[in-house]
Amino acid sequence: DAKTTQPTSMDCAEGRAANLPCNHSTISGNEYVYWYRQIHSQGPQYIIHGLKNNETNEMASLIITEDRKSSTLILPHATLRDTAVYYCIVRPPEAQKLVFGQGTRLTINP
Amino acid sequence: DAGVTQSPTHLIKTRGQQVTLRCSPKSGHDTVSWYQQALGQGPQFIFQYYEEEERQRGNFPDRFSGHQFPNYSSELNVNALLLGDSALYLCASSPSWGFANTGELFFGEGSRLTVL
Repeated sequence: DAKTTQPTSMDCAEGRAANLPCNHSTISGNEYVYWYRQIHSQGPQYIIHGLKNNETNEMASLIITEDRKSSTLILPHATLRDTAVYYCIVRPPEAQKLVFGQGTRLTINP
Repeated sequence: DAGVTQSPTHLIKTRGQQVTLRCSPKSGHDTVSWYQQALGQGPQFIFQYYEEEERQRGNFPDRFSGHQFPNYSSELNVNALLLGDSALYLCASSPSWGFANTGELFFGEGSRLTVL
């Protein structure tokens, strides 16, 4: 499985956009990029995924660079409830598991 | 619609003992996976069950075993507990057709095991 690199921690002001980067320079052509988050004392929660096109849903937007070696998760208007550890995961379509790294601890400040 | 439910939420065991953790998947889901999350680390895949069989296994010793029942619920058993088995154990479910297509897993809130 391709390895991902994320900053250990980030801060963002409430109401501002939170931009979380992820490097996945060894990603293969058929591997998807997934983002999950884990709020304290809860299980991980799926946010969004994409292959090569940018994706948006009600939670976030995912921007994948043209060479697919990096991506950015965007939370457009961060709230205090978005404080969590965010995991960027690269997964081949046939894989039956998710391989988590250590993620980015995002703190939203009032 | 109940999500993934796990029991117990917390438990304390001593070294050498055995533990059983339980999981009920989200309604409509027939595939269950188990993950171990040590403090400060990301979750690590233990194994996956589908149609009452272990389908894939991560890098965990045979002390870790599981079972899936006809109603799709699952158990995780750990024998001969070690101090290093202290962790949050997460159950995740998906429909068999779903994960392959979407990669979306639904996680429970976990069972926190402390081994003394």
